[in-house]
This record gives sequence, C-alpha cells and structure tokens, in this order.
Amino acid sequence: EAQVTQNPRYLITVTGKKLTVTCSQNMNHEYMSWYRQDPGLGLRQIYYSMNVEVTDKGDVPEGYKVSRKEKRNFPLILESPSPNQTSLYFCASALSYNEQFFGPGTRLTVL
Amino acid sequence: GQQVMQIPQYQHVQEGEDFTTYCNSSTTLSNIQWYKQRPGGHPVFLIQLVKSGEVKKQKRLTFQFGEAKKNSSLHITATQTTDVGTYFCAGGGSYIPTFGRGTSLIVHP
Repeated sequence: EAQVTQNPRYLITVTGKKLTVTCSQNMNHEYMSWYRQDPGLGLRQIYYSMNVEVTDKGDVPEGYKVSRKEKRNFPLILESPSPNQTSLYFCASALSYNEQFFGPGTRLTVL
Repeated sequence: GQQVMQIPQYQHVQEGEDFTTYCNSSTTLSNIQWYKQRPGGHPVFLIQLVKSGEVKKQKRLTFQFGEAKKNSSLHITATQTTDVGTYFCAGGGSYIPTFGRGTSLIVHP
C-alpha cells in the first residue's frame, strides 16, 4: 500500500530535549516536505527536499533541521525544542508538481 | 512572498444546502490544488487545476480556476454530513506550494 508513515504519532517532551520525528514514504517520490499546522494558521511549510541531499527552507524553518540521506526518509529534528513548537506536524511526499500525499501527523507537545 | 487567502474561515450549513469556499492569490499561480482534511485526519488531495478558466467536477463538487489564474473556488452542491472537514487550497508554481488557511465546513443534520 502506497503511504507516508510518521513516528511517533504523539509526543510529549520538555524544553531543550532533542527529538527526531521520522518520516518515510514507499512511493519513490523525489519531493518531500514538512508542515506544521496550528489553529487558524493552516499548513505552513517548514522544510522541503527535492531529492536526496537537496533540502531547502520553507516558510517557518527556525528551530528545525532536516536531512535527506535516502530517498524514502526525511526526518525532522528539533535540537532544542521550545513550547512555541507545540503543534501538529505533517510530512508529505509528491512526484514532481503533482498531488502531495500526507502522513498521519505527529502531535507534539513541548512543556 | 506569495500569499493565498481563503475565505470564509468557517461555514455552518444545514444538510442539503450548498457550500462555497474561495481562494485568492496575490500573484499568478501556475496551478492550484485542493485538499480535504477530516476532523482528526490528515489532508487528502482532491484535485489539481492547471488551465486558465478550468472547471472540473467530482460528483457534487465543482472546482474552478479563474481566468487570470489568481483565484479559485470549490462549490459543494447539497451538502451531506460526510462533507464535514476543512478544505484547503494550495497554490504553487514550484515545489513550495502555499496553502490557504482553510475553510472549515460544519454540516448540521
């Protein structure tokens, strides 16, 4: 089954404790991206990657890091999480300029 | 930068009424996509429009792309409770699609 998976689905952590949210897709898509979704603000892009070893900032990259060492994986790293990064995070993948397939989401709470 | 405005933010309708959400961009878009997100779920792709003035239909849903490729609309005829969710437009011309803030549709039975 074609899908985008994210782990963990839920995470409660404390300020400053480094964390990684994994994202993996099995559709051989070149394009992957991370979004955060906050009430009233819609989906805001954090980082995107057009292919292996190629990443670039989206609209709200501050406080986040990403890497794309393999085509299927695109982890999101929060080196020192802060409460303002409490949000719902979605990973997505796409083939060129076509539809994006979203993962199920990761709900992060930073205390 | 490119901005995509979407209105209204919320819409309450009685089941059977029609619903429309509008998307407006500050710049010309090469394409526009529409997504639906059910409560507690993730965005799911509905359709992509590319051509100026394009109109596409999916059962009770009608999607339009403006002649100037700066606006788009999604119209649902005779809403059903299964239509509940938030509808997002996403405009782009690159790998950086800009999402509107979404319109949340609430359908009262």
